Amino acid sequence: DTEVTQTPKHLVMGMTNKKSLKCEQHMGHRAMYWYKQKAKKPPELMFVYSYEKLSINESVPSRFSPECPNSSLLNLHLHALQPEDSALYLCASSLSRTAGANVLTFGAGSRLTVL
Amino acid sequence: KQEVTQIPAALSVPEGENLVLNCSFTDSAIYNLQWFRQDPGKGLTSLLLIQSSQREQTSGRLNASLDKSSGRSTLYIAASQPGDSATYLCAVPTQGGSEKLVFGKGTKLTVNP
Repeated sequence: DTEVTQTPKHLVMGMTNKKSLKCEQHMGHRAMYWYKQKAKKPPELMFVYSYEKLSINESVPSRFSPECPNSSLLNLHLHALQPEDSALYLCASSLSRTAGANVLTFGAGSRLTVL
Repeated sequence: KQEVTQIPAALSVPEGENLVLNCSFTDSAIYNLQWFRQDPGKGLTSLLLIQSSQREQTSGRLNASLDKSSGRSTLYIAASQPGDSATYLCAVPTQGGSEKLVFGKGTKLTVNP
């Protein structure tokens, strides 16, 4: 298995809803990432988990709450989002935390629309 | 602060043409450089990773070069095909071997049949 699987592919939610994005990989990678990508812009790093521990939070608002229950699974819990949070959310993984030394494998993304 | 620039922003070529995409970065003390491909509305696919000690990496019709001293990398695509149409992004670590990557804005490539 050489894939990062993200669900759902599309999500529409209201500003008062609570929803979650899910990411799964079975490549034995120990670092997992959440990126946010707005239209026609490059991806922006949000969070990095290394060995199931949060190692980087790029000053992301608390309405985004990451969780790494085990080495294969990464969640992003969403609550009280704003319309400007609408974007493509990308999950990625790599062998270890030093992503600069390892190839990043990205999922297909979850397209989020906040009404 | 590391900044990555990609030129041109968009490129349209006829099928079969060889082409070069450019990437430049401001801080030459990079650990490595990666080239990615992104199809519309999809995730990124890693194409090539060049370590700082390397000058070139090849994969099929793709060849990436790295010149650290001048802060430049090029992605050469030989005999382009319509299936190569996508946005190509380059990325470098913000510092050292950091897991934080800085991406360029990408070059949108269209290969016309």
